[in-house]
Amino acid sequence: EVQLVQSGAEVKKPGESLKISCKGFGYNFISYWIGWVRQMPGKGLEWMGIMYPGDSISRYSPSFQGQVTISADKSINTGYLQWRSLKASDTAMYYCVRYDSSGPDAFDLWGPGTMVTVSS
Amino acid sequence: SYGLTQPPSVSVSPGQTAIITCSGAKLGEKYVCWYQQKPGQSPVLIIYQDSKRPSGIPERFSGSNFGNTATLTISGTQAMDEADYYCQAWDNSTVIFGGGTKLTVL
Repeated sequence: EVQLVQSGAEVKKPGESLKISCKGFGYNFISYWIGWVRQMPGKGLEWMGIMYPGDSISRYSPSFQGQVTISADKSINTGYLQWRSLKASDTAMYYCVRYDSSGPDAFDLWGPGTMVTVSS
Repeated sequence: SYGLTQPPSVSVSPGQTAIITCSGAKLGEKYVCWYQQKPGQSPVLIIYQDSKRPSGIPERFSGSNFGNTATLTISGTQAMDEADYYCQAWDNSTVIFGGGTKLTVL
């Protein structure tokens, strides 16, 4: 089955670091962009950035540039979203998404989300 | 910076047609996608490239995009269509999402 499987919920303190993951199943991982979308509690969708695992080219939203790092390990079909120092305002659901630039030109596959809670 | 504007809420009676708009400067010159998000679930792609439906999406969902406005139309709206709907486009290598529209089926 084609799917994205994300790592489990996290509870962290302000200032701590975090890396969450997203593993692709059932498709050629290196042929699609992998990205991240934030959804704060009760709010809308915000695009954070995207990476092409085939050559590690990445693009970030200006709102998230320098705040997070998007990476991927193509040997294990896994993408990552990383913070060096979390803030309470990072509390949100984070969705991993697949972007198909050659076909629908859309985010055609979404993971179940990873809830990150940052609280002292 | 580029923005996409959606009405916060739309209400429709079962069986009627729901219309959700998404506005942005020269939006008709860009491809627009639409996503449906039900409570507690991940978003699902329902329209891509303005008007195309992915496999498995019912025919009652349709889209258009002209001028400054993209439109999602749900014909014969059903109770199961109650959800949040988001439009999305690219602008200068950046993904933009609309603020979302809560569709209520009364």
